[in-house]
Amino acid sequence: DVKVTQSSRYLVKRTGEKVFLECVQDMDHENMFWYRQDPGLGLRLIYFSYDVKMKEKGDIPEGYSVSREKKERFSLILESASTNQTSMYLCASFGREHQPQHFGDGTRLSIL
Amino acid sequence: RKEVEQDPGPFNVPEGATVAFNCTYSNSASQSFFWYRQDCRKEPKLLMSVYSSGNEDGRFTAQLNRASQYISLLIRDSKLSDSATYLCVVNPRNTGGFKTIFGAGTRLFVKA
Repeated sequence: DVKVTQSSRYLVKRTGEKVFLECVQDMDHENMFWYRQDPGLGLRLIYFSYDVKMKEKGDIPEGYSVSREKKERFSLILESASTNQTSMYLCASFGREHQPQHFGDGTRLSIL
Repeated sequence: RKEVEQDPGPFNVPEGATVAFNCTYSNSASQSFFWYRQDCRKEPKLLMSVYSSGNEDGRFTAQLNRASQYISLLIRDSKLSDSATYLCVVNPRNTGGFKTIFGAGTRLFVKA
């Protein structure tokens, strides 16, 4: 089974802090994603990566950056956290085109 | 028009009932299709892929109608544990799997 692990289930940070969310997958997948999910808005893609050191903007990249230094790890960075970034953050990965994405448990992030 | 549309529900059904969800998609070149299930405050989990010939997994049956551009999910003999949000997921052709589109979900409540 695919295992996608996110570093924290719950996180509370303050406005202006730099926040790191980590995601690790154990299936040697090239492709990894970061989404946020908010009530009534569904899943929205922040960034994705199709290889080490490669990254592409999704639909809502503003205020975020990512890092993919190793194939198994994809990090999401909130450069200066703001209250409107309070959300559920989900990491996902898949291997080949037409295969389904597999999600981590999610990180529920609160910015105070 | 949204790229993937689902009736948000909620569908309230008694245990043992049969319930069906439809999902329409706008891109006729869509290539692969999935149903995910998401429990409250949890991550989406793959329920089943949807194949052109239709497919069944226990009490769950998925069908694809390319001509009318919709997919469906049928749940027979509903259980209390089927209560969740069901997400319709579509991958457009020739996008490498990076343009996965998630529906907003249909909420199902199964009552005793």
